Amino acid sequence: GAVVSQHPSWVICKSGTSVKIECRSLDFQATTMFWYRQFPKQSLMLMATSNEGSKATYEQGVEKDKFLINHASLTLSTLTVTSAHPEDSSFYICSATSSGGTSYNEQFFGPGTRLTVL
Amino acid sequence: GENVEQHPSTLSVQEGDSAVIKCTYSDSASNYFPWYKQELGKGPQLIIDIRSNVGEKKDQRIAVTLNKTAKHFSLHITETQPEDSAVYFCAASTNSGYALNFGKGTSLLVTP
Repeated sequence: GAVVSQHPSWVICKSGTSVKIECRSLDFQATTMFWYRQFPKQSLMLMATSNEGSKATYEQGVEKDKFLINHASLTLSTLTVTSAHPEDSSFYICSATSSGGTSYNEQFFGPGTRLTVL
Repeated sequence: GENVEQHPSTLSVQEGDSAVIKCTYSDSASNYFPWYKQELGKGPQLIIDIRSNVGEKKDQRIAVTLNKTAKHFSLHITETQPEDSAVYFCAASTNSGYALNFGKGTSLLVTP
């Protein structure tokens, strides 16, 4: 149980285009989803926290107009990188958590999406 | 905010030996401490976690210890195998926000 999927697993796009990444919780309802960014050989940096049906909370320094997050249902959150540029190239990872029970705090991570902007 | 320090950044051990990775945290309100294993090109996988109401937890070859007074926690891997080679991240979080603060990672290499 507790499987999180991401789609696509990798994407290459031209500079100036927008890219949408999907994050799905497959076997549980995710009240909260998180989006992380990871550069090569570095740690995960939290970009934003999204709760179903409400606006995402962005970390300091993350442009909300650049990285649009939509958490429309308890099993799906999307991250759209708008007007992508080469510096946006990175590994984007989502995670999901459900509240209550014995699994509070526990986050389940997706496999990540490798974005390359040419 | 929470600051998680992780050491060492790289660790090389021979197959069968033990590996220990240590982390410290700054926020005394943190109460959840997971450890993740990340293989190249993949997302992190939870391998073990510990909550602040216990001092030690073990799962087969993996164990985690927590010292709340000193604000540090450690991952212990015994009888290491080549497939244990990966990057390991520690993290800490509080109940309220659920957000995880990650250490910088330890690249573990287990040589046959």
